[in-house]
Amino acid sequence: EVQLVESGGGLVQPGGSLRLSCAASGFTFSRYWMTWVRQAPGKGLEWVANIKQDGNEKHYVDSVKGRFTISRDNAKNSLYLQMNSLRAEDTALYYCATIREGYWGQGTVVTVSS
Amino acid sequence: QAVVTQEPSLTVSPGGTVTLTCGSSTGAVTGGHYPYWFQQKPGQAPRTLIFDTSNKHSWTPARFSGSLLGGKAALTLSGAQPEDEAEYYCSLCYSGPWVFGGGTKLTVL
Repeated sequence: EVQLVESGGGLVQPGGSLRLSCAASGFTFSRYWMTWVRQAPGKGLEWVANIKQDGNEKHYVDSVKGRFTISRDNAKNSLYLQMNSLRAEDTALYYCATIREGYWGQGTVVTVSS
Repeated sequence: QAVVTQEPSLTVSPGGTVTLTCGSSTGAVTGGHYPYWFQQKPGQAPRTLIFDTSNKHSWTPARFSGSLLGGKAALTLSGAQPEDEAEYYCSLCYSGPWVFGGGTKLTVL
């Protein structure tokens, strides 16, 4: 059974940092692009970042460039999102996914508030 | 970054047909944008229905189909069912980064 399980979310003050993790199982993780997508409360989906199979190509939405870093560890079947200089507008449910293959996690909640 | 546009809301009768569209601020949507369509129901994670314009997953009901139509990507639902009531999002690739549309709330009524 394919599973993507996100963790690492929580409440953080503006300017703080969090590291999200996504543990993959049930498929060959190293074969696929991986993506982080977020959804602010009551809002639509927003693509955040993605990373190529070997980790050598990464793309980010403009609003997180220079603050967020996507990475992966194929040996551990894990995807990460290092989030620094967090802002209130980063508050959202963060999903990891293999968009093309259609595998989505259930998300982890990030709340940025003082 | 580009802006992807979708109808905010549409209504279809049970058994009816409806087409949702997905436009790009940069011009015509082509196969090179690899259009995707997602379905999301309240309280659930999104589900990928269509990838690369018109390809379906094993879980995609046959009544859904994807295409390019009049410079936009399109998702057509033929024979709507009550369980198809949901939010539908499209996504387009811009040579690396992707952008989601704002979503279409589809009501089956």
